[in-house]
Amino acid sequence: DAGVTQSPTHLIKTRGQHVTLRCSPISGHKSVSWYQQVLGQGPQFIFQYYEKEERGRGNFPDRFSARQFPNYSSELNVNALLLGDSALYLCASSFSGAVETQYFGPGTRLLVL
Amino acid sequence: QQQVKQSPQSLIVQKGGISIINCAYENTAFDYFPWYQQFPGKGPALLIAIRPDVSEKKEGRFTISFNKSAKQFSLHIMDSQPGDSATYFCAASKDGQNFVFGPGTRLSVLP
Repeated sequence: DAGVTQSPTHLIKTRGQHVTLRCSPISGHKSVSWYQQVLGQGPQFIFQYYEKEERGRGNFPDRFSARQFPNYSSELNVNALLLGDSALYLCASSFSGAVETQYFGPGTRLLVL
Repeated sequence: QQQVKQSPQSLIVQKGGISIINCAYENTAFDYFPWYQQFPGKGPALLIAIRPDVSEKKEGRFTISFNKSAKQFSLHIMDSQPGDSATYFCAASKDGQNFVFGPGTRLSVLP
């Protein structure tokens, strides 16, 4: 079975631009979470969606938004990019929304110039 | 109160040795404590996890020790192998949501 997939793998943007990152969960998984991992640090929780509803939100500004589609795939959107948004963005999926069983994708590496 | 502290930042161990990584938390509401292993270019993978109603959990060469009164937990890797070389993250959550991760420990196991 395919694991969690994310696209694109790498992305370069300039300050002020907008970016959309995509995630496809493991087949049958209904929950998706997004994390930001700055180089040399642990992942920081951004959002969790379960059955297309937002279940949790971390301490990130309103420039960050996300949604989950009927097929349980998800998008993370970041507006007005800042240099500090450069990071690895990780998506994790789980079957029931019980996050202890979450499986991470390989991430999207975003560089903001 | 949401912070999880982790030490050491980096660790070098000889093949066959024991690797020990320590974490401490402040929020007593946390009820799930996993350890993740991350290789370069990959997402974190769940290694082993514990709940606060037990003091130790062992899976193969990996053991978590949990001290609820001290609000500390640690990962022990027995018979460390070069293939264990990776970055290890401890984490904590309440009700399986809003995970808080430690800053990570880069482990190098020398052949």
